[in-house]
Amino acid sequence: KQEVTQIPAALSVPEGENLVLNCSFTDSAIYNLQWFRQDPGKGLTSLLLIQSSQREQTSGRLNASLDKSSGRSTLYIAASQPGDSATYLCAVRPFPGANNLFFGTGTRLTVIP
Amino acid sequence: EPEVTQTPSHQVTQMGQEVILRCVPISNHLYFYWYRQILGQKVEFLVSFYNNEISEKSEIFDDQFSVERPDGSNFTLKIRSTKLEDSAMYFCASIQNNYGYTFGSGTRLTVV
Repeated sequence: KQEVTQIPAALSVPEGENLVLNCSFTDSAIYNLQWFRQDPGKGLTSLLLIQSSQREQTSGRLNASLDKSSGRSTLYIAASQPGDSATYLCAVRPFPGANNLFFGTGTRLTVIP
Repeated sequence: EPEVTQTPSHQVTQMGQEVILRCVPISNHLYFYWYRQILGQKVEFLVSFYNNEISEKSEIFDDQFSVERPDGSNFTLKIRSTKLEDSAMYFCASIQNNYGYTFGSGTRLTVV
């Protein structure tokens, strides 16, 4: 069964810093990986989707990379802002048509003004 | 940008009562899901729904749970007799083919 891990569980950085969030998965046979943002008590907002054939995706200050062979993905946030404070979740879809996304436990990010 | 809409945002219910959580998926999406997140735990899959029937369900989705698409727009999750351990955030999601999932803002269910 696919296990998805995110380290660290929590991270605090001063405003303006660049940072990297990590996501590891045990089974490298994935179809795609999606990064989400979750504000406290709120829903999941999709940030980036990387297909298994892709190495990275970018959206604004966010860049997600995927290394399937090593079972890793990273989310890079450039020039962090207090508004980036949230929990970031990664989720793996194992194959096309799979119904079940496997989620990590998340990294809670605090950006200090 | 199209959204998945969930109502209510928060529901408090007494143990043993029935609750219905409602979702309006994105209109041209074909696959619909319910996930839940118990406080402090991972988001976990409950059930998927396609072509007006359940396509897959997890071990959590026992006889107390049911889903329905009563009309062309709504998608509901019913819990027949709620237990304390059903307290969680429930998320509806929809997807079109193999693109990324779109999740709703969730319903926080508190069973007392």
